Amino acid sequence: GNSVTQMEGPVTLSEEAFLTINCTYTATGYPSLFWYVQYPGEGLQLLLKATKADDKGSNKGFEATYRKETTSFHLEKGSVQVSDSAVYFCALRTYGGSQGNLIFGKGTKLSVKP
Amino acid sequence: DAGVIQSPRHEVTEMGQEVTLRCKPISGHDYLFWYRQTMMRGLELLIYFNNNVPIDDSGMPEDRFSAKMPNASFSTLKIQPSEPRDSAVYFCASRTRTGRVGKNIQYFGAGTRLSVL
Repeated sequence: GNSVTQMEGPVTLSEEAFLTINCTYTATGYPSLFWYVQYPGEGLQLLLKATKADDKGSNKGFEATYRKETTSFHLEKGSVQVSDSAVYFCALRTYGGSQGNLIFGKGTKLSVKP
Repeated sequence: DAGVIQSPRHEVTEMGQEVTLRCKPISGHDYLFWYRQTMMRGLELLIYFNNNVPIDDSGMPEDRFSAKMPNASFSTLKIQPSEPRDSAVYFCASRTRTGRVGKNIQYFGAGTRLSVL
């Protein structure tokens, strides 16, 4: 079946450090891949997405590249800020079948210290 | 658009009581999702609707849970009777269908934090 595995947190970094949150997936067909972010006390919101192999999604300084050969979609940011402290969720959806369903990873909590 | 609106934001109730969570999706969206988030289990899809019809309720944990969508602008998730293990944050999300999966972004509400004592 389809699934998403992301690195367990929490991840604690100092401001301006480099961030990587690993995400790998298992899917039939050709999924679209997403990163969602959840700030404290809020719902999830889309951070970035990629719909086919080698696509790079980017937003707010975050990037992730859809790697079909390694079935990965790692999230990176070159210099994190305190305001990036949140929980980050990797997700996928395949076309066809249960079309409505996003499959989420368990989330990775990021804490950025000043 | 105001986004997905959930109410109440916080709910504290006693075991055995009925709890009703409410959701107003974004206007024009024809998919609506209910999720539950806990520390132990992460984010779980409970049920989703397409055009007001329940499509997949396999995530609903027990018969105590029920969800309805009487019209395109309103949905409820009801727990009766509630138990302490139901304590969680419940999210509603909605999206539209464009025929291209990469365009179909889910928009989440701010959630309802439920505490069952």
